[in-house]
Amino acid sequence: KNEVEQSPQNLTAQEGEFITINCSYSVGISALHWLQQHPGGGIVSLFMLSSGKKKHGRLIATINIQEKHSSLHITASHPRDSAVYICAVRPVGGGADGLTFGKGTHLIIQP
Amino acid sequence: DAGVIQSPRHEVTEMGQEVTLRCKPISGHDYLFWYRQTMMRGLELLIYFNNNVPIDDSGMPEDRFSAKMPNASFSTLKIQPSEPRDSAVYFCASSPEGGGLPGQETQYFGPGTRLLVL
Repeated sequence: KNEVEQSPQNLTAQEGEFITINCSYSVGISALHWLQQHPGGGIVSLFMLSSGKKKHGRLIATINIQEKHSSLHITASHPRDSAVYICAVRPVGGGADGLTFGKGTHLIIQP
Repeated sequence: DAGVIQSPRHEVTEMGQEVTLRCKPISGHDYLFWYRQTMMRGLELLIYFNNNVPIDDSGMPEDRFSAKMPNASFSTLKIQPSEPRDSAVYFCASSPEGGGLPGQETQYFGPGTRLLVL
């Protein structure tokens, strides 16, 4: 059974701080997604990774396939980054089905 | 593009009633997904379609749940009869070819339907 664990569950930081959110999973995967859920409930897909690193603005996502671990980093954090960040993985051989989600990390950036 | 459109945005109903949630995917996307999100279980994939055909409904919790996609621009998720434990946010997402396979596009989520069953 594929388990996806995120840490921390909750994180409060000051504006400008460097933020790291972690995701660990238990089986081999073909892809990992990072999602952002805004306080209003809308979900935005941030990254899809299968190896290495991706960067978009102040957001950086890395993945280590051998260690079954991914991190999402936010540089120069801002209050508008406050959201729930969700990690989802797709097992090897899985198609569009089989996504397993973490419970999410609740991030609050204080001004 | 307007993105994935879901309706209604909020629904309150009584136990035993039928509930129908609607989704309009992004034009040209071949994959459509229905998800449920609760505090206890987080996000769960219920069912997905490829070119209007249901591919995997193993996430559908029980026979009270059914989903259809009569054409490429419309899908419904129906709960009959509804129960209080069905209260959740239901998301629809669509994706171009590949649906998130390596190298393919990721999924685009709708705003969700907040369902409360009393």
